[in-house]
Amino acid sequence: SQQGEEDPQALSIQEGENATMNCSYKTSINNLQWYRQNSGRGLVHLILIRSNEREKHSGRLRVTLDTSKKSSSLLITASRAADTASYFCATDVQGAQKLVFGQGTRLTINP
Amino acid sequence: GAVVSQHPSWVICKSGTSVKIECRSLDFQATTMFWYRQFPKQSLMLMATSNEGSKATYEQGVEKDKFLINHASLTLSTLTVTSAHPEDSSFYICSARDLVKADTQYFGPGTRLTVL
Repeated sequence: SQQGEEDPQALSIQEGENATMNCSYKTSINNLQWYRQNSGRGLVHLILIRSNEREKHSGRLRVTLDTSKKSSSLLITASRAADTASYFCATDVQGAQKLVFGQGTRLTINP
Repeated sequence: GAVVSQHPSWVICKSGTSVKIECRSLDFQATTMFWYRQFPKQSLMLMATSNEGSKATYEQGVEKDKFLINHASLTLSTLTVTSAHPEDSSFYICSARDLVKADTQYFGPGTRLTVL
């Protein structure tokens, strides 16, 4: 079952611009994670933010979490062509011991 | 970092045959392993959760008799697609939750199944 929505479904920007993706979910969570997937390949774990955290940074990535609104955002700053991929949020559902994925955002960085 | 392997990485089979996919945690023990399915241009859909030594828990709409899961040890889970049909063609991804670092889940590289 899908946990929630991601928007936009697709995003196309110029290299150097910032990219923001949003994720909403429905249940209580232990943490929320963001993954990247290049076409036809496996997942790459980007960042994990716990339910008691509000913001986290890792390199050019900035993740926010608002548990009152059940939403999260992923910001990629100074985008590069190599950032072109699909990005998924995944929620670690409280009490269920499982990771459920959002629908994903297809990001295209134009050189 | 921890590694999860899957074998085979791709498989082509005839309609009606069964296919087994292995998922191994290579340098950690995993009490819980998960199987996902991903259709082209779609997200990962959780199929089932398997705990070592017990029966798998299937998500709603997933046929347990068609997708047989065995989790015989802390490092190995298998998914068998029985009597495969073309609509079962998909990318199957397993993941394993670290026994020690309980909030950390590692993903395998996926297995692409094509049923002719």
